[in-house]
Amino acid sequence: AQSVTQLDSQVPVFEEAPVELRCNYSSSVSVYLFWYVQYPNQGLQLLLKYLSGSTLVKGINGFEAEFNKSQTSFHLRKPSVHISDTAEYFCAVSPLGMEGGKLIFGQGTELSVKP
Amino acid sequence: GAVVSQHPSRVICKSGTSVKIECRSLDFQATTMFWYRQFPKQSLMLMATSNEGSKATYEQGVEKDKFLINHASLTLSTLTVTSAHPEDSSFYICSASSRGQGGGYTFGSGTRLTVV
Repeated sequence: AQSVTQLDSQVPVFEEAPVELRCNYSSSVSVYLFWYVQYPNQGLQLLLKYLSGSTLVKGINGFEAEFNKSQTSFHLRKPSVHISDTAEYFCAVSPLGMEGGKLIFGQGTELSVKP
Repeated sequence: GAVVSQHPSRVICKSGTSVKIECRSLDFQATTMFWYRQFPKQSLMLMATSNEGSKATYEQGVEKDKFLINHASLTLSTLTVTSAHPEDSSFYICSASSRGQGGGYTFGSGTRLTVV
């Protein structure tokens, strides 16, 4: 079985400051990793995903994440946040990836960017 | 890119009635559809997984007779909440996956169900 832990439920940060949202996972098999963003009353939008290859993954809106297999982590980073980045962020894993296996989500991290 | 259209975005219904939520994949064939439920300030809880033409597989604790899922075609899946009660009020989100999609999952925009 797989599980995902997002270590911070809320992250307040000032505009233009850097931010890191932490994600750790547990799995007995190889997984694919995802970060999604959710704005209020909307569905989820994919920020980035790690399937294989380079452990540093770049996504949309200036976000990037690094896969660390030894620490089973997939932390999300942005060097300078904007007010518009205020949203809920979810880390997720899938044991089957592109084959259509189900996603297992973390609890979510609420990013609040203040002026 | 891949788009999943989910309707309605909001619905209010009376207790005891049924509500149908539709998800359509607009530019790809959704071989697998996932239905999630999300409570305020919480993560997504997977309710069921459906493959086109097959019966849905429900997660433990989800009443299959209450939450009817139909995935009759590769572009349409529906979730019907039968005999809705106030405790069924929630945010429901669908997600589609396809082998030909190049990896990943496309989410609908969600449906806010309020049962009064």
